[in-house]
This record gives sequence, C-alpha cells and structure tokens, in this order.
Amino acid sequence: TQLLEQSPQFLSIQEGENLTVYCNSSSVFSSLQWYRQEPGEGPVLLVTVVTGGEVKKLKRLTFQFGDARKDSSLHITAAQTGDTGLYLCAGGHESNTGKLIFGQGTTLQVKP
Amino acid sequence: DTGVSQNPRHKITKRGQNVTFRCDPISEHNRLYWYRQTLGQGPEFLTYFQNEAQLEKSRLLSDRFSAERPKGSFSTLEIQRTEQGDSAMYLCASSPGGNSPLHFGNGTRLTVT
Repeated sequence: TQLLEQSPQFLSIQEGENLTVYCNSSSVFSSLQWYRQEPGEGPVLLVTVVTGGEVKKLKRLTFQFGDARKDSSLHITAAQTGDTGLYLCAGGHESNTGKLIFGQGTTLQVKP
Repeated sequence: DTGVSQNPRHKITKRGQNVTFRCDPISEHNRLYWYRQTLGQGPEFLTYFQNEAQLEKSRLLSDRFSAERPKGSFSTLEIQRTEQGDSAMYLCASSPGGNSPLHFGNGTRLTVT
C-alpha cells in the first residue's frame, strides 16, 4: 500500500508568518499534486510537479518535488487569513490511470 | 466550463436505507472518479471509469456499493443497506485522461443515523 504522510496535521499561525507543509512517502510517484480544500467544497488543484527536484512558485506559495520523487513540500510566505484551509498532497503513478493517492491533509488556520 | 456537479449536496438517511448520488462531470472529460472523505482526512479512492467502463474498484467498495456510468457521461453511486460507518463526504472528479489533474465536485455529504 502506497501511503503519503503529511506533516504537520494541524497548524495555527498568525497572519504574516511563514510555514512549510511536508508530504513524504516510501514510494516513488510520477507526479505529485497539491490541492486546497475549504469546508463543504471539493479540493481545488494548486499545482502539479512531475520532475525530481522541480520547484514551482505560485505567488506566495512555493512547491518542491524531492529529487527521488518520494516527497514534496509546500512553503507559504507571509500567510494571509485567506490561506486558511485543508492542504492535500496527492501522488500519481505511471500507470496512466490518473488515480491519485492522497495524504491525510494539513489543516491550516491563519489568525488575523 | 460548468465544472463537476454533484447532487444532492447533503443526504440524511436512516441505517438500512438505500441512497443514490449523482455526478455530472465536465462534458469533454472521459474519466470519472469517485472518492470518499471523512472529516479532517484526505480523500480515499473508490472507483473510476473510462467512458462507460469501470476500470478499477478499491477494496473499500464493498458489495453494498455500486457505481455506474451507463452512457459515459453522468455517473451514479448507490449504497445499499447503509451503515453508520458510511457517513462521509462522497466526492466525484473528472479528467480528460492520462495523468491530467482531477477536477472535483463539491461532494455529497451523507449522514447515516
């Protein structure tokens, strides 16, 4: 069974602080996606990384895929209250099914 | 692009009853996925379709669960003889195929009393 472990599971910070969320696995993934989910809604894709060592930036969010394609991180700079939500990493395989294995999520609360 | 649509948004049912959920994917997407999510956890894969063919089912999908996509467009997920452990958010997602990102609907929240 391939598992994706996210840490921390919960994070409560003040607006303006920086944070990093980690996503680790013992399995190799062909791609890794990060989603953000708000209560009562479905996950919304933030980014897809496919190459080992790849770094992608989306405004204040920086995503990195590990060299061995087993782990990833999400770094948020100067968090805002609007960043509050559940952050999910999800791994895809080369089987081309599109099926994703999700981590258990990191609940982020940004306080004003 | 009207997005993935799921109905109903909420369903409360008594234990032992049958329930059916519907998912309308993005129109040009030939792949459709069902996931289940419990509170504060990540989604767990249940099953997926390529057009009308159901290509994979998770071990989580017991005999009480059945999914169909008869014309390769909308899909239904039926749960027979519901149990309290079935209470969860049921998410549908679609994609155009390959390893394209999944587009999720807003889910159907099922509560079994």
